[in-house]
Amino acid sequence: DVQMTQSPSSLSASLGDRVTITCRASQSISSHLNWYQQQPGKAPKLLIFAASTLQSGVSSRFSGSGSGTHFTLTISSLQPEDFATYYCQQSYITPLFTFGPGTKVEIK
Amino acid sequence: EVQLVQSGAEVKKPGESLKISCKGSGYNSSSHWIGWVRQMPGKGLEWMGLIYPGDSDTRYSPSFQGQVTFSADKSIGTAYLQWSSLKASDTAMYYCARRAALTMVRGLIIFGTFDVWGQGTMVTVSS
Repeated sequence: DVQMTQSPSSLSASLGDRVTITCRASQSISSHLNWYQQQPGKAPKLLIFAASTLQSGVSSRFSGSGSGTHFTLTISSLQPEDFATYYCQQSYITPLFTFGPGTKVEIK
Repeated sequence: EVQLVQSGAEVKKPGESLKISCKGSGYNSSSHWIGWVRQMPGKGLEWMGLIYPGDSDTRYSPSFQGQVTFSADKSIGTAYLQWSSLKASDTAMYYCARRAALTMVRGLIIFGTFDVWGQGTMVTVSS
């Protein structure tokens, strides 16, 4: 099985800050990596797929990069609606589309 | 509008059976896999598996194999998740999600993206 880890598990940041979240896979998954945002009490929302492709309708302040085993999600300028939990998900090993443990972004 | 609408919250006792639903609309619901995801209270997302409503082909995560059953009725565009004997540890929010159409990105065939999510069904199992 591919294991996914994320760091940090939580972070505190201020409005306008640049935030970076890291996701690592236990083996190479090429670029088969998705990022989801889950706001409190809501369903997850797809932000980025194929490691760096922005989902239609998602703000361009979100960006993704990486390949192989190391990936990052960057929020260029934190907005109030960005305070949420972010999950990476590998989509290389089907049908076990494993999620990372999540990174909670909180207001400083 | 493309959407998945899930059935409402359930409160059950241990040992009871349950079937929750996920109805797709605004797209050809027979031609997209539906995934199921568990989120226990205060915890992260856990991948449960997939079903293809067109022919009810199912793929389970090993952690959930034998614990739950996926089914579908393509005539009404609905996928189901069911338990034959609930346990307290089944208490969680359950989400369905649509697998996006296959797409090519930078020479890669992308096949594991989940672009539309249901609102979730909260299942509470308590004596």
